[in-house]
Amino acid sequence: QSALTQPASVSGSPGQSITISCTGTSSDVGTYNYVSWYQHHPGKVPKLMIYEVTGRPSGVSNRFSGSKSGNTASLTISGLQAEDEADYYCSSYTSRSTVIFGGGTKLTVL
Amino acid sequence: QVQLVQSGAEMKKPGSSVKVSCRASGGTFSTYTVSWVRQAPGQGPEWMGRIIPFLGMANYPQRFQGRVTITADKSPRTTTVYMDVSGLRSDDTAVYYCARERKGGSYYYGMDVWGQGTTVTVSS
Repeated sequence: QSALTQPASVSGSPGQSITISCTGTSSDVGTYNYVSWYQHHPGKVPKLMIYEVTGRPSGVSNRFSGSKSGNTASLTISGLQAEDEADYYCSSYTSRSTVIFGGGTKLTVL
Repeated sequence: QVQLVQSGAEMKKPGSSVKVSCRASGGTFSTYTVSWVRQAPGQGPEWMGRIIPFLGMANYPQRFQGRVTITADKSPRTTTVYMDVSGLRSDDTAVYYCARERKGGSYYYGMDVWGQGTTVTVSS
């Protein structure tokens, strides 16, 4: 099963909004509302930002939101801040009862 | 708040095996799903399998079946999960993480607690 497809990089200025896409297939993202997003700063441990497409864990800023349409899930970050600069990964449950990750997107805050 | 504490870095020869442990500190995770995820330099994360310690049943992606074994202590207060990787190759060099999902169950609920990571280096 191939990895979910994410853009390699996105960028935005402080205060702006950006959206990161995550494209899968009908065997994963398209069928199941079990998509999670993680933020990963180099040298640190990944942090769960979104679960089950739209859920936000306690302590995660409401500037982060998730959505899904068809085979594509999206992570939107509004009011960009310098601290948001990191790698972001999506992941999904699959029809084989496994979990698959995306290749990752590097967010640069200009 | 539970923390996951992993065993230390490992240096291994090609063809050998490695066993990494993940201990719950400040709580237990016997009824939660615990996954292993690795990340090689410059690459995205790769899911290696998971277990619900209370049930003791693990599942793996096809590419790791037969080479990866995930087990857990079967005591009522399960506190340690293990991952054994055999037939190591140089491309197994990566940081290996254990991670607990928000709850146990058949689907995927997001991994909200992560171990600190264990670096495994495979080199002759």
